[in-house]
Amino acid sequence: NAGVTQTPKFQVLKTGQSMTLQCAQDMNHNSMYWYRQDPGMGLRLIYYSASEGTTDKGEVPNGYNVSRLNKREFSLRLESAAPSQTSVYFCASSEAGLGEQYFGPGTRLTVT
Amino acid sequence: SQQGEEDPQALSIQEGENATMNCSYKTSINNLQWYRQNSGRGLVHLILIRSNEREKHSGRLRVTLDTSKKSSSLLITASRAADTASYFCATLGNMLTFGGGTRLMVKP
Repeated sequence: NAGVTQTPKFQVLKTGQSMTLQCAQDMNHNSMYWYRQDPGMGLRLIYYSASEGTTDKGEVPNGYNVSRLNKREFSLRLESAAPSQTSVYFCASSEAGLGEQYFGPGTRLTVT
Repeated sequence: SQQGEEDPQALSIQEGENATMNCSYKTSINNLQWYRQNSGRGLVHLILIRSNEREKHSGRLRVTLDTSKKSSSLLITASRAADTASYFCATLGNMLTFGGGTRLMVKP
């Protein structure tokens, strides 16, 4: 099992460009999450999907959109990138909302 | 805003010593979880303690939870160089909220 996979691993964008971060899990988990991690800080929740077909805002949703494509895949879209979105983005999944989360390796995004 | 706050922010010890990290939080929780992050990698779940539990063990890890003080501690016994990482507590209320982490360095 690959667990949680994320693509791409690295990305550089110019201000105003758009991109989609992809995430997939092969553990048949119901819940999926997107976080961002800024230097020296913990993770902050951007959006989550408690189950297929549902999405909800987390702590820092502004400037982002998500799509739960199916049970396996959960994508994060930046419509118009800003330097403040420079960060490392982590996708995670869990069997249900109360339990441990499994994290992907992260995408390091730089917006110039 | 971060629900959990770890203390200390950084900790340096010798191999074989014990490492203790503390976490304080502000609101009621369903459970509290500890994660480890090696440099440049994703987070790895270590242990989960429910709000009605007071202590939990897993290998060299011991976690305590005091809901009256809204605090938790993670003890790593007989530390190894491979334990060098950042450790995060995360509290589950409506969503999982992470603290800022403790950077642990274990010197050989």
